Amino acid sequence: SYELTQPPSVSVSPGQTARITCSGDALPKQYVSWYQQKPGQAPVLLIYKDSERPSGIPERFSGSSSGTTVTLTISGVQAEDEADYYCQSADSSGTDWVFGGGTKLTVL
Amino acid sequence: QVQLQESGPGLVKPSQTLSLTCTVSGGSVSSASDYWSWIRQPAGKRLEWIGHIYTSGSTNYNPSLKSRVTISVDMSKNQFSLKLSSVTAADTAVYYCVRGRNYYNMDVWGQGTTVTVSS
Repeated sequence: SYELTQPPSVSVSPGQTARITCSGDALPKQYVSWYQQKPGQAPVLLIYKDSERPSGIPERFSGSSSGTTVTLTISGVQAEDEADYYCQSADSSGTDWVFGGGTKLTVL
Repeated sequence: QVQLQESGPGLVKPSQTLSLTCTVSGGSVSSASDYWSWIRQPAGKRLEWIGHIYTSGSTNYNPSLKSRVTISVDMSKNQFSLKLSSVTAADTAVYYCVRGRNYYNMDVWGQGTTVTVSS
C-alpha cells in the first residue's frame, strides 16, 4: 500500500523557522494537505493543494513542493505551534487517501 | 458553516459490528463535490483514512479495511454512517467524521468519538 514518510520529530526555538517534510512516490502528481493536531483535539486543516492556506490560518504557515517531497514551513514559530503535524494525499490513481505518520513539533 | 457530530456506542464487543452516524448541520450531504469521510486514530498513533462516500453515492475504502467497512448516506436525515464488522481490540480508536473536498483535503472535522472494543 502507498505510504507517506515524515520525520517523527522536529525541534525548534521560538521565533525560528520549522520545516517538516513529507515524501511519497506519487507526490509529483498528487496534491498534499497538511493538518495540525493538538492533544485531545481534532486535526485542523492548515494547507491544501500543496501551498494554499484556508481562511483563518496564519501566514506563518506555508507549503511547498519539489518532486517527491513536500514541505510545511512554519516561520517565526510560537509556543502555541507545538503540536503533531500530518501530511495527507492520495495514491497515484487518486483512489486511496493516506496520511503520513505524523511529526511532533517541539518548541524549545 | 458546516458542522459534523458523531454519535454511536462507545463500547463494542469483539466480533460485533461497530456502527457510527455523523449528523451534518449547516450544509447538505447532497452537496456536489464533497467526500463524506471517516478517519480513525488509535491512542498515540497516526491518523488512518477509513474511507469515504462521494455525492454520487460511490465509495472508496482503505484496502486494509475494505472487507469489513460500509459507508452510506441518508439524505433524508442529512447523515452519513460507518459500519465496521468483526471488530477486534485493534479497532479501538477515536473515530472522526470529516468532510473531504477536491484535491484530497479535509476541511471540516467532527469532534471525534471514542470507541472501545472490549468484552
